[in-house]
Parts: sequence; C-alpha cells; structure tokens
Amino acid sequence: GQQVMQIPQYQHVQEGEDFTTYCNSSTTLSNIQWYKQRPGGHPVFLIQLVKSGEVKKQKRLTFQFGEAKKNSSLHITATQTTDVGTYFCAGRGAGGTSYGKLTFGQGTILTVHP
Amino acid sequence: NAGVTQTPKFQVLKTGQSMTLQCAQDMNHEYMSWYRQDPGMGLRLIHYSVGAGITDQGEVPNGYNVSRSTTEDFPLRLLSAAPSQTSVYFCASRRRQANYGYTFGSGTRLTVV
Repeated sequence: GQQVMQIPQYQHVQEGEDFTTYCNSSTTLSNIQWYKQRPGGHPVFLIQLVKSGEVKKQKRLTFQFGEAKKNSSLHITATQTTDVGTYFCAGRGAGGTSYGKLTFGQGTILTVHP
Repeated sequence: NAGVTQTPKFQVLKTGQSMTLQCAQDMNHEYMSWYRQDPGMGLRLIHYSVGAGITDQGEVPNGYNVSRSTTEDFPLRLLSAAPSQTSVYFCASRRRQANYGYTFGSGTRLTVV
C-alpha cells in the first residue's frame, strides 16, 4: 500500500533560524496536503498542492510539490515560538477510486527555543 | 456551526469491553474519516467514508467497525477493547471538492487497561 515518509522526526531550532521538513511517497500522489498540530491539539489544515512542481507561500511558510509528484517540502523562514508543533504531510494516491483515503506521514515535531 | 464534534473526550475501558466513539459534523461534508494517533506513528487511517451508506477500510481497521447511516454521523465501534487500542482517536471530515482539506475534531483519548 501507499506509504508516506516524513523526515526529520524531530527538529530543534533557535528562534529566527529556518526549518524544513521533507515528505516522500512510495507512489505518485494526486495531491499533497500539509497540516499543523499544536501540542495537545488537533491537526489543522494548512494547504494543498496539486500540480507537478507547484510552489505556494503563506507568509513565512513555503510549500513545494516535486516534479514527479512523489515528494514535497515545507520550509519556514525565521522561525518564531508560535511555529512550535507537529507538521504533517498527507497524500492521496493518483488514480483509483479511493478519493476519501488520505495517508499521513509520521510528522516532524518542531521545537523553537527563544 | 460546531464543526466536527467528538464524544467522549476521555475514556477508560477494561480489556474486552466494547464502546462507540461518536463523531458528528454539521458542515454537510461528504467525506469522513477516523484516525488514530500514537507517538512516533503519525496519524493512521482506520476507516473512511465518501458518503452515507459507503465505508471502506484504511490502514489499521482490525478491531474496529464503522457505519454511515447519515451524512452527519460516523461512529467508530470498538468490538472488544485491547491495550493495543490505547490511543488518541481523531475524526475528520471534508467536502468532496478536491481543494478542501480535512477538518478535525478535538479527539478522544482512550485508555484500555
């Protein structure tokens, strides 16, 4: 079955440093979504990428979808303490009829030291 | 508009007991899913549904049943609880249209002793 791997598992940064998490799928994805989960909270949808090579920005966050639609990354510029949390990628396989089936990566836990 | 409502928030079960985790959404979302979250394992899909009367298995369906008799409700049944089912359970829903992400409930923390 489809597997989505995410690295690193943990990242500790000083406030102001940049942060990147990477997501790789064993199969071609139809789209990829990114979520953020604050400590003790629930995942919150950030963005969806659909097109090969797509790049989207949300303020200090930059999301990329690979040309082969099998990998993605999330980059945060100049981290702030409010960025603390776990970042998940989640993908839906291309083709087939499993439109409701979204597979999550293991997540990257980001801690930011002030 | 309450979003996705999960009940209960916390539950302790004894091994072998059965129970139902409730999930309801008031956004008229077609798609609903159940995930479990364990440390270091991310979110693993248990069951999902693309509409009333339609359900399918995810990655870790064993020991769980679901039904979707209405658009709003998607209960998750634990048939005979085991310690391995100790986890945080999240229900999520979204619209069928492709550009929407999932809206998650606040979760149910389940402990099986």
